[in-house]
Amino acid sequence: EAGVAQSPRYKIIEKRQSVAFWCNPISGHATLYWYQQILGQGPKLLIQFQNNGVVDDSQLPKDRFSAERLKGVDSTLKIQPAKLEDSAVYLCASSLSTRPQFFGPGTRLTVL
Amino acid sequence: AQSVTQLGSHVSVSEGALVLLRCNYSSSVPPYLFWYVQYPNQGLQLLLKYTTGATLVKGINGFEAEFKKSETSFHLTKPSAHMSDAAEYFCAVSARAGTALIFGKGTTLSVSS
Repeated sequence: EAGVAQSPRYKIIEKRQSVAFWCNPISGHATLYWYQQILGQGPKLLIQFQNNGVVDDSQLPKDRFSAERLKGVDSTLKIQPAKLEDSAVYLCASSLSTRPQFFGPGTRLTVL
Repeated sequence: AQSVTQLGSHVSVSEGALVLLRCNYSSSVPPYLFWYVQYPNQGLQLLLKYTTGATLVKGINGFEAEFKKSETSFHLTKPSAHMSDAAEYFCAVSARAGTALIFGKGTTLSVSS
């Protein structure tokens, strides 16, 4: 069974630029999560989707972050414009209803 | 609201020694508890989980954890450390199945020969 796929794996941008990350969850997983992991900290939820609807985006900085889940499968997370403090690893996870979450390898973002 | 505290940001053991990683949680409802491991430049891999039932939970790679409600703890143990166990370990809690995880800050495990 293929795992959660994410791309790119690494991205370096200048502050105020835009960036987008892509996630392809495990086939059949209705629930998709985006987490932000800042160096030295545990992952923190940004947004949770159930199919293509948003379940929880209370911690998403909506002035600069946006996310969508196309047709309830793939998802993209965008930052516009990026700030220095956005440097982090962005993790995508998916799960089958009440089952544990499976995580992708993450995208490491460096904002200069 | 839920929260997790991992005691000790860095733990060092010798190969063959007991591994003990500490996790305390706070939850207003019966918690779901998890331990994940993260190897360098990789995503998180589930080691074990507690939902309901038996309080001693066995996971992969010889790890186990015990849910102690009275102590609000979910410590991770392994009787004998291997070099391959060196990684970052995260304890996490959720209010119910299918909801987002709240993670601790992580504990880096180093194993020396």
